[in-house]
Amino acid sequence: QQQVKQSPQSLIVQKGGISIINCAYENTAFDYFPWYQQFPGKGPALLIAIRPDVSEKKEGRFTISFNKSAKQFSLHIMDSQPGDSATYFCAASPNNAGNMLTFGGGTRLMVKP
Amino acid sequence: EAQVTQNPRYLITVTGKKLTVTCSQNMNHEYMSWYRQDPGLGLRQIYYSMNVEVTDKGDVPEGYKVSRKEKRNFPLILESPSPNQTSLYFCASSLSGGFGTGMGIYGYTFGSGTRLTVV
Repeated sequence: QQQVKQSPQSLIVQKGGISIINCAYENTAFDYFPWYQQFPGKGPALLIAIRPDVSEKKEGRFTISFNKSAKQFSLHIMDSQPGDSATYFCAASPNNAGNMLTFGGGTRLMVKP
Repeated sequence: EAQVTQNPRYLITVTGKKLTVTCSQNMNHEYMSWYRQDPGLGLRQIYYSMNVEVTDKGDVPEGYKVSRKEKRNFPLILESPSPNQTSLYFCASSLSGGFGTGMGIYGYTFGSGTRLTVV
């Protein structure tokens, strides 16, 4: 049973469009929510992260939106580019135990030129 | 260059033949972990280590062993591999104390992965 559910499993977006990936969790002890980006043949790399004391965090074209009451968070990629094509993982960890990440199932994003 | 190095990158073995996947980090990180990645299941934690000689089970520890005799190394041992352990394995390391504490948010540094096939 996955504690962090991620959707969709795959996503195709045109260049310049907005990519949206959603995650939901059940464990109310989670208080750190990172997103990782993985290119083929590479390990995942931290992309952006948020804690539940804010509802949104933006870094360049990447934005995390967080809804604590709904226990959901999402990644928005604005002006999506072919170079954004990768697998994205959401994750969550409990209070002060950020090393113990639970990952979602992953979303394979393809941005078409 | 700060990195996590795993070896080998690819491995094909037969059922029951003991194998070890090595992991080494050069960042003086206290925390190290092993994950396996399977389609649709994301990354699932196998074992983790908070520091030298301190290890604990993750979500899917069955069939695996680890050791942490030195801070930089965290090998993954499969004593008797089975086909259901065919997977992509990642080692990761991080500073201790949890993410997002204090002034910064930091995360795992992952290795490049080991693709293991057990026939």
